[in-house]
Amino acid sequence: EAQVTQNPRYLITVTGKKLTVTCSQNMNHEYMSWYRQDPGLGLRQIYYSMNVEVTDKGDVPEGYKVSRKEKRNFPLILESPSPNQTSLYFCASSTYRVSLNTEAFFGQGTRLTVV
Amino acid sequence: GNSVTQMEGPVTLSEEAFLTINCTYTATGYPSLFWYVQYPGEGLQLLLKATKADDKGSNKGFEATYRKETTSFHLEKGSVQVSDSAVYFCALQLNSGGYQKVTFGTGTKLQVIP
Repeated sequence: EAQVTQNPRYLITVTGKKLTVTCSQNMNHEYMSWYRQDPGLGLRQIYYSMNVEVTDKGDVPEGYKVSRKEKRNFPLILESPSPNQTSLYFCASSTYRVSLNTEAFFGQGTRLTVV
Repeated sequence: GNSVTQMEGPVTLSEEAFLTINCTYTATGYPSLFWYVQYPGEGLQLLLKATKADDKGSNKGFEATYRKETTSFHLEKGSVQVSDSAVYFCALQLNSGGYQKVTFGTGTKLQVIP
């Protein structure tokens, strides 16, 4: 079954304690991205990756890091979380070949609370 | 830049009512348009899409027509069910530097009551 898997689903942490949210896809997609979802703001892209070892900033990258050492995995790293990073996070993947116009596949989300 | 504007929710309807959720967009170029649905506690999943002007996307009784002249992609369903209660996101997708960048609207929450 084609899927994007995020872990954990729920996380409560304290300010400044480094954390990693994992994301894995089994569709051999080149393109992966992270979004955060906040009330009234919809989904905003944090970082994206076009392929292994190729990453770039999205619209709201401050306070986040990513890496893409393998095609299937795209972890999101918060080196020093702050309360304003409390949000619902989604990982997504897709093939980026322009001619296909395919949709993005999303993970189930990670609800992060930073206290 | 590119942007998507959706009607604000929440939208509350009785079962079997007609649904319209408005979506308009601004884009440089010719985007593909999508509706995604997010059921409670889940991630987003594709509901329907249209890749060029006058295309109609349809799925599960929902429809949306790509209107280039009005830059709109309104979502409609003739008779909603309680199981349609969810958040609906309109999105556009454009080629940007060799990859397809997606811009989402803010989402419209639909609540259908029996």
